[in-house]
Amino acid sequence: DVKVTQSSRYLVKRTGEKVFLECVQDMDHENMFWYRQDPGLGLRLIYFSYDVKMKEKGDIPEGYSVSREKKERFSLILESASTNQTSMYLCASSLVQDSEKLFFGSGTQLSVL
Amino acid sequence: DAKTTQPNSMESNEEEPVHLPCNHSTISGTDYIHWYRQLPSQGPEYVIHGLTSNVNNRMASLAIAEDRKSSTLILHRATLRDAAVYYCILINYGGSQGNLIFGKGTKLSVKP
Repeated sequence: DVKVTQSSRYLVKRTGEKVFLECVQDMDHENMFWYRQDPGLGLRLIYFSYDVKMKEKGDIPEGYSVSREKKERFSLILESASTNQTSMYLCASSLVQDSEKLFFGSGTQLSVL
Repeated sequence: DAKTTQPNSMESNEEEPVHLPCNHSTISGTDYIHWYRQLPSQGPEYVIHGLTSNVNNRMASLAIAEDRKSSTLILHRATLRDAAVYYCILINYGGSQGNLIFGKGTKLSVKP
């Protein structure tokens, strides 16, 4: 089975801190994604990547950046965390030839105080 | 991608079949119908997908209306572990590149 692992289940940070959320997948998937999930708003795509060193903006990229130096790892960076970035963050991956079948991690609940 | 409409919530009894409806009246000829579900405290997981014909897998069945304007996800015998939010998503292959648009879904409760 594909495994998508997110480094932290819960994270508490202070406003203005730089925050790194890490995601690793073990099935050689080309595509990787970062979503955030908020009550009443569903899942919203932040950034995605089709290959190493490639990145594309999703629907809500403001305040975020990403890094993909290795195929298996996709990092989400909050340059200066703000309280409105308190959310559940979900990482996902998929194969190019089956790109609509996403495999998700268990999520990181980030609280920014 | 075209829009889908699902009931906000449904209830079922354990070991009974569950039919989760999804309306997609503006579906295009090349849109696939995908279902995902999200268990409590988990990320979403893929359930099933189809284009025109009904589909079966180990998790569920997907019944697609002849005009493709609606579909139904069928859980043949609900268990307590099937309590989750179920998302119906339309995807135009090649157009989404995996960028799936999740709506609010249907929250399924299963009573013992």
